[in-house]
Amino acid sequence: QSVLTQPPSVSAAPGQKVTISCSGSSSNIGNSYVSWYHQLPGTAPKLLIYDNDKRPSGIPDRFSGSKSGTSATLGITGLQTGDEANYCCGTWDSSLGAWVFGGGTQLTVL
Amino acid sequence: QVQLQESGPGLVKPSQTLSLTCAVSGGSISSGTYYWTWIRQPAGKGLEWIGRIYTSGTTNYNPSLRSRVTVSADTSKNQFSLKLTSVTAADTAVYYCARQRYYEISGHPIYYFDYWGQGTLVTVSS
Repeated sequence: QSVLTQPPSVSAAPGQKVTISCSGSSSNIGNSYVSWYHQLPGTAPKLLIYDNDKRPSGIPDRFSGSKSGTSATLGITGLQTGDEANYCCGTWDSSLGAWVFGGGTQLTVL
Repeated sequence: QVQLQESGPGLVKPSQTLSLTCAVSGGSISSGTYYWTWIRQPAGKGLEWIGRIYTSGTTNYNPSLRSRVTVSADTSKNQFSLKLTSVTAADTAVYYCARQRYYEISGHPIYYFDYWGQGTLVTVSS
């Protein structure tokens, strides 16, 4: 059971928009910054969003992040088949004194 | 460009100690504001943070693993290591090393993983 809760899977058609939620508590998302990672099968995770809503260089603006209270959201517009991957959120939990990840969400582009 | 590369035995017997090393190139592990981190992922499951070591040598561990984990650094070789004792089948996973950038904004710490190793599969089996 992950400290951060994500839906196991989401799906949408090419060209459409999808959002992936990440729900936590006041000890993690509520008072810390969230980052998002995507992972293709058999490969290492890759940074997608940091500081809640910032994109590293090379990440297209189709990807966006936001945070409100104890939840964070990853948005992807103009879906492409290459976006099919597992998406995971993470943040620091001050009560645990540990980094925590969400369980991951598998995105399927139909 | 920073690169991280995990190495170590791919098979460990139950009750023994898992030992992995992460060699870092393209940057020094003893400079900057970074945490050098170990993360694992059992097959078909999510990521689990194991622990980290700061450039100053300070360590933090996952509370659920703290009694069995040690993360250390060898600055002369620019590498850091993981030791996990008394392993069981539940410790079978792909183990990743990663660099976690750290800074503060208005007193709030910000962390994120900007570079990852490719991962190494460790199987615990007799």
